[in-house]
Amino acid sequence: DVKVTQSSRYLVKRTGEKVFLECVQDMDHENMFWYRQDPGLGLRLIYFSYDVKMKEKGDIPEGYSVSREKKERFSLILESASTNQTSMYLCASSSSSGGAGELFFGEGSRLTVL
Amino acid sequence: DAKTTQPPSMDCAEGRAANLPCNHSTISGNEYVYWYRQIHSQGPQYIIHGLKNNETNEMASLIITEDRKSSTLILPHATLRDTAVYYCIVINRGSGNTGKLIFGQGTTLQVKP
Repeated sequence: DVKVTQSSRYLVKRTGEKVFLECVQDMDHENMFWYRQDPGLGLRLIYFSYDVKMKEKGDIPEGYSVSREKKERFSLILESASTNQTSMYLCASSSSSGGAGELFFGEGSRLTVL
Repeated sequence: DAKTTQPPSMDCAEGRAANLPCNHSTISGNEYVYWYRQIHSQGPQYIIHGLKNNETNEMASLIITEDRKSSTLILPHATLRDTAVYYCIVINRGSGNTGKLIFGQGTTLQVKP
């Protein structure tokens, strides 16, 4: 069964802490994405990556960075967490050769910044 | 990518067909219609997609009007587990597009016993 796995379902961090959210996919997908989801705002794209070591800014990249050192792993980094980054974070992957609109999502990581 | 419009909420009786509409009147010729759903506290799940012909899979059917300006997702026998937010998304699958999707507010479907 295809899978996108996010490292933590729930995290609680303090303002100013550095936060790493990890995502691993086992489908050999080229493309990986990080979204955040907030009530009333829907899903918003933070960063995405088409290939190893490549990254592209999404709609709301401010305050975030990403790392893709291996094809299967895409990490989202909050250099200095702030309370307005409290959110549900969703990782997804897709194949370039298959349907460009068919994304596989992880279960999500709910981050609370105090 | 074209914008979509969906009703914010719908109810459906368990065992009955759920018909979820989506308007995409500005869709262009090479844009596909995709449907996803998101069950509470889970990530979105792909359901089905189509270009202009009707499509069916084990989860649902997708009916696209002849002018392609609207579509309907049909869950033939809704169960309580189908209670979720359903997203209709239009995407250009042409070269250079690697699946960056724009999710709107979707339709919250409540299946009732």
